[in-house]
Amino acid sequence: DAGVTQSPTHLIKTRGQQVTLRCSPKSGHDTVSWYQQALGQGPQFIFQYYEEEERQRGNFPDRFSGHQFPNYSSELNVNALLLGDSALYLCASSYGNEQFFGPGTRLTVL
Amino acid sequence: GQNIDQPTEMTATEGAIVQINCTYQTSGFNGLFWYQQHAGEAPTFLSYNVLDGLEEKGRFSSFLSRSKGYSYLLLKELQMKDSASYLCAAGNYGGSQGNLIFGKGTKLSVKP
Repeated sequence: DAGVTQSPTHLIKTRGQQVTLRCSPKSGHDTVSWYQQALGQGPQFIFQYYEEEERQRGNFPDRFSGHQFPNYSSELNVNALLLGDSALYLCASSYGNEQFFGPGTRLTVL
Repeated sequence: GQNIDQPTEMTATEGAIVQINCTYQTSGFNGLFWYQQHAGEAPTFLSYNVLDGLEEKGRFSSFLSRSKGYSYLLLKELQMKDSASYLCAAGNYGGSQGNLIFGKGTKLSVKP
């Protein structure tokens, strides 16, 4: 059983560009959450998708948007990238009380 | 406001016991999670407490006191591979799953 998978593993972009990160949840999980983890910090909740709709949102600007597909996979889009967006982006899928995290996408904005 | 506090760093000796404390202040609290995160890797689920008391799982135990807004993770028989960051996270479900508020993590170094 494959766990949570994310792509790409690493990404380098320049300021002002746009980026799309992808996540496939663990089999049987229907809820996907996205987190941003800056170096030396704990993950910060961006938003959560369930039944193809954004169900909850953290304190992130509208530049951060997402989507969930019928197969429960999800995308995170970030527009107008800033240097401060450089971080590890984690996807987590859940069903019940456990959340399983994917390996993350390391985004570097130059 | 919402706040999770845990020590920044701790050091312990191989074979010893270490306790990592966490205090939290959140609205809509719905459980306390502990995760282990090795450098450059994703967090790995360790434990979940929703009721007061101690949950034991092998070498790891986790305790919760909801009235005090307090939890701890207890690691016994420490091994070198336990060197990692330990993240305390409060579930802030508000009727749904998955919105976790994380602390900054406690970096544990296990020395021989």
